[in-house]
Amino acid sequence: GNSVTQMEGPVTLSEEAFLTINCTYTATGYPSLFWYVQYPGEGLQLLLKATKADDKGSNKGFEATYRKETTSFHLEKGSVQVSDSAVYFCALSDRNSGNTPLVFGKGTRLSVIA
Amino acid sequence: EPEVTQTPSHQVTQMGQEVILRCVPISNHLYFYWYRQILGQKVEFLVSFYNNEISEKSEIFDDQFSVERPDGSNFTLKIRSTKLEDSAMYFCASRGEQARNQPQHFGDGTRLSIL
Repeated sequence: GNSVTQMEGPVTLSEEAFLTINCTYTATGYPSLFWYVQYPGEGLQLLLKATKADDKGSNKGFEATYRKETTSFHLEKGSVQVSDSAVYFCALSDRNSGNTPLVFGKGTRLSVIA
Repeated sequence: EPEVTQTPSHQVTQMGQEVILRCVPISNHLYFYWYRQILGQKVEFLVSFYNNEISEKSEIFDDQFSVERPDGSNFTLKIRSTKLEDSAMYFCASRGEQARNQPQHFGDGTRLSIL
């Protein structure tokens, strides 16, 4: 079956530090890949996506590249801010599936301190 | 920007009682979903809904659960006889386009607490 594995949190960084959150996936088909972010007390918001190999998704300074050869979609940001503190979820949807439910990783909590 | 809205934001219910969680998907969306997140755990798929019927459901979505789109705007999740382990955050999501790589848009969730 399909699955997503994320690095365990929590991750604590100082402001302006470099962020990497690792994500690898297992999929029977050719999935689309997503990063969602959950700010405290809020729902899930789409951060970025990539739909084919070597695509780079980017938004708000975050980037992730779809690597088919390593089945990875690591999230990076060059300089984090306190406002980036949230839980980050890597997810996939199998485009061969009927109504494409998302499969999520366990989430990685990021805390950025000033 | 249009949003998915969920009500209530927090629901407290006695074990064994029925509960209905409500969602208003984005107005021109066609595909609807419910997910849940038990505290500290991953977000899990419950059910997807299209064209007035269930498209897919997970093993979590047993006979105690049902979904309905009673009118043109609401999409509800009913739990018939709640159990303690149903305590979780429940998220509704919707997607508009036919293309399967389009993202799902989520509401802010309903926190369900079973006593």
